[in-house]
Amino acid sequence: GNSVTQMEGPVTLSEEAFLTINCTYTATGYPSLFWYVQYPGEGLQLLLKATKADDKGSNKGFEATYRKETTSFHLEKGSVQVSDSAVYFCALRNFGNEKLTFGTGTRLTIIP
Amino acid sequence: NAGVTQTPKFQVLKTGQSMTLQCAQDMNHEYMSWYRQDPGMGLRLIHYSVGAGITDQGEVPNGYNVSRSTTEDFPLRLLSAAPSQTSVYFCASSYSVRRDPPPLNYGCTFGSGTRLTVV
Repeated sequence: GNSVTQMEGPVTLSEEAFLTINCTYTATGYPSLFWYVQYPGEGLQLLLKATKADDKGSNKGFEATYRKETTSFHLEKGSVQVSDSAVYFCALRNFGNEKLTFGTGTRLTIIP
Repeated sequence: NAGVTQTPKFQVLKTGQSMTLQCAQDMNHEYMSWYRQDPGMGLRLIHYSVGAGITDQGEVPNGYNVSRSTTEDFPLRLLSAAPSQTSVYFCASSYSVRRDPPPLNYGCTFGSGTRLTVV
């Protein structure tokens, strides 16, 4: 079956630091990959996505590249801000299937 | 455009009580689903529906019922609440992957959640 493994949190960084949150997956076929963000007290919002190998998703300064050879979709940002403090979820969706499989989430805290 | 609307936002139940969590979407999405979010476990799929009149079980369906009489609404029912059902519940929706042409936005839109405590 499908599974998503994210790096354990919580992660605490200083403002303007470089961010990497690791995500690897196990899936049959060719899944689409997603990063969702959950700000305090809110629901999940789609941050970025990639639908095929070597695709790069990007949004709000965040990037992630679909690496089929390493089954990974690591989230990166060059310079984080306090407003990036949130919980980040990696997720996948198999082709032809609407169901999302989520990782456990990584709580990110940015300190000024 | 309201998106996905969940009510209530907070609820406290006593063990054995029943209640319904409401979910409505105004985007004409065929697919709707319910997740629960628990610390250290991410989001787990409870039930889902690919269209009106069609529902199916997800990963953790026990203790929950759903129905889908309209495209817009997908209520989640707890028949006899238990402390193990204390969680944050999220409803999500998306276009069906069977649309022709396939939807460009392949992700789900989530509601803001219902925090349920069973005492």
